[in-house]
Amino acid sequence: AQSVTQPDIHITVSEGASLELRCNYSYGATPYLFWYVQSPGQGLQLLLKYFSGDTLVQGIKGFEAEFKRSQSSFNLRKPSVHWSDAAEYFCAVGAVSNNNDMRFGAGTRLTVKP
Amino acid sequence: EAGVAQSPRYKIIEKRQSVAFWCNPISGHATLYWYQQILGQGPKLLIQFQNNGVVDDSQLPKDRFSAERLKGVDSTLKIQPAKLEDSAVYLCASRRGTFGGEQYFGPGTRLTVT
Repeated sequence: AQSVTQPDIHITVSEGASLELRCNYSYGATPYLFWYVQSPGQGLQLLLKYFSGDTLVQGIKGFEAEFKRSQSSFNLRKPSVHWSDAAEYFCAVGAVSNNNDMRFGAGTRLTVKP
Repeated sequence: EAGVAQSPRYKIIEKRQSVAFWCNPISGHATLYWYQQILGQGPKLLIQFQNNGVVDDSQLPKDRFSAERLKGVDSTLKIQPAKLEDSAVYLCASRRGTFGGEQYFGPGTRLTVT
């Protein structure tokens, strides 16, 4: 079964600084990979996804992520963080099967300092 | 298009009481999911429907949780009787197809069991 590890529980960055959130997955075949963001009291919103093809994926709100098969990683990046980016970020891996069962990481909480 | 709708948004009950949550997926989405998100954790899949059939309920505590999706559209999730450890946010998500593709999440129902 697939699994996801987000090593950083909480990250604090200054507004305008760059951001990288780490995600490592475990899955025996080519996975579907996702990054979702969750603001307080809200549902999850998809930032970006990787299914196949170009390993550098562009998403909404200026985010991007790079799939590195050799490292089993799918790290999320943003060159310049805005105060509104403060939220919880979840990495998820989906199985390439009819069930498309998806497993989420525990999340990384992002705090943005003014 | 309208998003995934859930109600109620908040619910407080005492242990051993019963509670029900409702979800209306995005129109035309064949697959519907219920997740449980305990504070500080990522969402955990409880049950997955494809149209009105159950695809995966391996992580649903069937002694107290039940779910149905009549007519392949709306769905309800019930807990009877509730325990303190059921306090969580219950998220509903839907997906258009039966293979691959992103999931769209509702705002969730926050359940507090006292």
